[in-house]
Amino acid sequence: QKEVEQDPGPLSVPEGAIVSLNCTYSNSAFQYFMWYRQYSRKGPELLMYTYSSGNKEDGRFTAQVDKSSKYISLFIRDSQPSDSATYLCAIGPGPKTSYDKVIFGPGTSLSVIP
Amino acid sequence: GAGVSQSPSNKVTEKGKDVELRCDPISGHTALYWYRQSLGQGLEFLIYFQGNSAPDKSGLPSDRFSAERTGGSVSTLTIQRTQQEDSAVYLCASSLVGQHYEQYFGPGTRLTVT
Repeated sequence: QKEVEQDPGPLSVPEGAIVSLNCTYSNSAFQYFMWYRQYSRKGPELLMYTYSSGNKEDGRFTAQVDKSSKYISLFIRDSQPSDSATYLCAIGPGPKTSYDKVIFGPGTSLSVIP
Repeated sequence: GAGVSQSPSNKVTEKGKDVELRCDPISGHTALYWYRQSLGQGLEFLIYFQGNSAPDKSGLPSDRFSAERTGGSVSTLTIQRTQQEDSAVYLCASSLVGQHYEQYFGPGTRLTVT
């Protein structure tokens, strides 16, 4: 089983739709959960991170973590064509632990159609 | 302020040649990471630097790959005797120490081995 699994898509939605992107992970020791956005031929850009469980909102973006089911989600409200990109989830170790690498999912390709 | 920069942006080399890829992290970021991204694949961790030392080299795929960091700043990833399977985008990221959950990526170097 891969440490982080993510549906690669592609996912195509009409402008204005609510988008739900999801990942599952296997190692319950991880406590940081990140979402990155990557435009074509660019480096990934951090959208947001959450620590432990719960929700975090930033504008049209909401990240949600359910540690009991090892499931993380990113919701995009009122999606725009400029949201068309690949979205990578990532998991990382908690504080007060010796460093362990961040694990990235393979990414979901999203297209928002005007 | 300036972000992470990488050079060259593109590199085409012949099989068997050596290549050097450079990463200039954000000023003050003592943690530096190298990743590899192949077409349609997620980010594959290569190596992590804390200052000038590399406590985690576990991702280097073979002894043809090496990396160094001097002065706690610029890092160089060297691939010797390149093979066609080395063709990929090589991404560098940096963060404050202990903040692996907030990595900032460069634009990447696209390496093509012919």
